[in-house]
Amino acid sequence: DAKTTQPNSMESNEEEPVHLPCNHSTISGTDYIHWYRQLPSQGPEYVIHGLTSNVNNRMASLAIAEDRKSSTLILHRATLRDAAVYYCILRVSNSGNTPLVFGKGTRLSVIA
Amino acid sequence: DGGITQSPKYLFRKEGQNVTLSCEQNLNHDAMYWYRQDPGQGLRLIYYSQIVNDFQKGDIAEGYSVSREKKESFPLTVTSAQKNPTAFYLCASSWTGEYGYTFGSGTRLTVV
Repeated sequence: DAKTTQPNSMESNEEEPVHLPCNHSTISGTDYIHWYRQLPSQGPEYVIHGLTSNVNNRMASLAIAEDRKSSTLILHRATLRDAAVYYCILRVSNSGNTPLVFGKGTRLSVIA
Repeated sequence: DGGITQSPKYLFRKEGQNVTLSCEQNLNHDAMYWYRQDPGQGLRLIYYSQIVNDFQKGDIAEGYSVSREKKESFPLTVTSAQKNPTAFYLCASSWTGEYGYTFGSGTRLTVV
């Protein structure tokens, strides 16, 4: 399985943008980049996913490097409710339902 | 509203007893998954099912069993053979392809 590398933790001030990096140097052409977040004592929540182009939704933006070996999840204005563990995961789309493999993610702290 | 429901939220059992965790989804998703999470760790895959009446072992299947008799239901039994069953158990579902997962809110199992 292609693997991802994320910093263990990051800190942000409230109402400022947050850029969460993810390296995936062994990504293959059919791997989608998925991001999930997990609030304390809850199940993970899907945030966003993309293949090659940058993606935006109501929760966040996903910026994908041109060579696809890295990506960045962007939270445009961090709030205290965004404090969570963020997981960057590669999903192979053409192999049926190969399960997602979760690493330890990045723990984001938001300071008021 | 569509979603995925896990019950109960908290479960206490005596050592040596089997226990079954419920997972039901009304999203019409094809695939369902069970993960285990220990404190401070990422999620580890126990079992997954891509279609009714079929399932595959994940990375830590020993001591667990599942069934998939209906599309919407994927119960997990934690047997007495599981050496360290106290953990947070998460169920998820998805469509085939690159789509994201929907997670339940989890069941916290404590074995005493």
